Amino acid sequence: NAGVTQTPKFQVLKTGQSMTLQCAQDMNHNSMYWYRQDPGMGLRLIYYSASEGTTDKGEVPNGYNVSRLNKREFSLRLESAAPSQTSVYFCASRDGTGVGLFFGSGTQLSVL
Amino acid sequence: DQQVKQNSPSLSVQEGRISILNCDYTNSMFDYFLWYKKYPAEGPTFLISISSIKDKNEDGRFTVFLNKSAKHLSLHIVPSQPGDSAVYFCAASAFTSYNTDKLIFGTGTRLQVFP
Repeated sequence: NAGVTQTPKFQVLKTGQSMTLQCAQDMNHNSMYWYRQDPGMGLRLIYYSASEGTTDKGEVPNGYNVSRLNKREFSLRLESAAPSQTSVYFCASRDGTGVGLFFGSGTQLSVL
Repeated sequence: DQQVKQNSPSLSVQEGRISILNCDYTNSMFDYFLWYKKYPAEGPTFLISISSIKDKNEDGRFTVFLNKSAKHLSLHIVPSQPGDSAVYFCAASAFTSYNTDKLIFGTGTRLQVFP
């Protein structure tokens, strides 16, 4: 019963490097989300995807791109990492009937 | 501009007593409110929710109250237990009114329940 799986769990990047955070859910949910958590800022929505083939910006989309590869997978890409992107990233999903989100366990990203 | 606010970053409560966590919102279009609980190194987990057509929802030791006129909601935990020690996030959405998938979170309140 995996739920929402994120990889990697930890990552250290140098400024300017790129990387992709992977997320997959096995609950057949339509909607998927990427949030970042920073001290004193709570959880802020970066991008979300209401269904396969669609993506929309959230509150803090700058510096990120996303791909909804299929119904299961939603990836988040940092093209040129900056220290301001040091954060904990959470992927989440929900189905069309429930309003609650199911979260992954997070990716701790440090950009030096 | 923070649409969902949790003005108390931390709260300390004795075991067995009531814990009251507060949340304020600014967007009158929000029609569904949720509380999430987060332990260190884990993702948030859903705790309890309330629709804007209600003013109270109860689930065991957890009760959420909604005051729409004041744009305020609160989570009551009675009795508080040490295992309740976690960060609690309030969240709001306009799922029903606007068919939007956005869920906006507050900044969180760290609850510590001591013996």
